Amino acid sequence: SQTIHQWPATLVQPVGSPLSLECTVEGTSNPNLYWYRQAAGRGLQLLFYSVGIGQISSEVPQNLSASRPQDRQFILSSKKLLLSDSGFYLCACQKGQGTGELFFGEGSRLTVL
Amino acid sequence: GQQVMQIPQYQHVQEGEDFTTYCNSSTTLSNIQWYKQRPGGHPVFLIQLVKSGEVKKQKRLTFQFGEAKKNSSLHITATQTTDVGTYFCAGPPPGNTGKLIFGQGTTLQVKP
Repeated sequence: SQTIHQWPATLVQPVGSPLSLECTVEGTSNPNLYWYRQAAGRGLQLLFYSVGIGQISSEVPQNLSASRPQDRQFILSSKKLLLSDSGFYLCACQKGQGTGELFFGEGSRLTVL
Repeated sequence: GQQVMQIPQYQHVQEGEDFTTYCNSSTTLSNIQWYKQRPGGHPVFLIQLVKSGEVKKQKRLTFQFGEAKKNSSLHITATQTTDVGTYFCAGPPPGNTGKLIFGQGTTLQVKP
């Protein structure tokens, strides 16, 4: 079965600083990968999804970007963080090209001060 | 774009009472999925419904998919404190791209 590793688990960053969140997947090949953000007490907002290496679809215009340099690696980045970027970032994996269930990582909790 | 809405947003029940959350989509869904997120945790898949009118049960949980495939419900019989958490429904937008749009979730609190 799939295992999703996300890091760091928690970070506190000043406004204007860069960001890099990493997600790696084990136990499957060619998965669909997703980045979701969850504001405190809120639902899941889809930020990016990828169906393959180098293929990124952005759902919401913002100062975040995503990259998929390897089949099972998904990175979320920002050059300059905003206060509104605070939240719980979740990486998710779906078996390739399907409409099946999502497996979520443990999440990265970001606080921008 | 597609919208997935859930009601209620919050529900407080006494342990032993029943609980239901409702999910409505602005578009017809090829399937609907339900997830549970415990406080401080990440969402965990519960079930997927595919057929019109489908009903599935998992112990005290009953999931239904509407005949028009635009709505769904999750019913918990005789809630327990372990049922605490946020329940999300999610469905794929038209085009079968694989991505899922989540509802805002229903947060369940159970008083012992």
